[in-house]
Amino acid sequence: DADVTQTPRNRITKTGKRIMLECSQTKGHDRMYWYRQDPGLGLRLIYYSFDVKDINKGEISDGYSVSRQAQAKFSLSLESAIPNQTALYFCATSDWKSGLAGNVSHHEQFFGPGTRLTVL
Amino acid sequence: AQSVAQPEDQVNVAEGNPLTVKCTYSVSGNPYLFWYVQYPNRGLQFLLKYITGDNLVKGSYGFEAEFNKSQTSFHLKKPSALVSDSALYFCAVRAYDYKLSFGAGTTVTVRA
Repeated sequence: DADVTQTPRNRITKTGKRIMLECSQTKGHDRMYWYRQDPGLGLRLIYYSFDVKDINKGEISDGYSVSRQAQAKFSLSLESAIPNQTALYFCATSDWKSGLAGNVSHHEQFFGPGTRLTVL
Repeated sequence: AQSVAQPEDQVNVAEGNPLTVKCTYSVSGNPYLFWYVQYPNRGLQFLLKYITGDNLVKGSYGFEAEFNKSQTSFHLKKPSALVSDSALYFCAVRAYDYKLSFGAGTTVTVRA
């Protein structure tokens, strides 16, 4: 989706290097997520953020860190890259809205195009 | 903890034939279920969701899904498949904390 952008789209790096993947969104959503995709494993959640001051670990956060610089920006860092972090990385966003009937959650997530990372 | 299973790694059908992609789920409380599609070199695109209401949910590109509470299933269907439907399909379930858990994915190949 053009509303969720990721940079870079492809990256090759070496073991031990620190790298950052960036995600920006123009949807105005307050919630942002980082996933990695591996063949046969689906998508696994690395970190998520429900607002600028809220950062939470997902199921596979070891070796990763994140920064929510603004509502629209959520960066993922690999502190010291290792080969088993070679994967396709996706950023996603979702919204939360209040309605007359109480809080109404817009449950679906919107994904960026992905970053293909190779660690040699 | 919630989980999703997609029992078939691959589904192959001929163009014009019905397409079904299977999904079963496990979750505490009411299930919130989703289907996404991923085309080559693209991100995931939302197809449809079940939150409440009718068990048959209609979504994008002619797809629909049937929620079956007794069988804890949420199978994706299309009455007449197109070659352009060839892609990777993911089922997902939302947890109480609004996170999504994804299945491993099913690769659909529609042959002309």
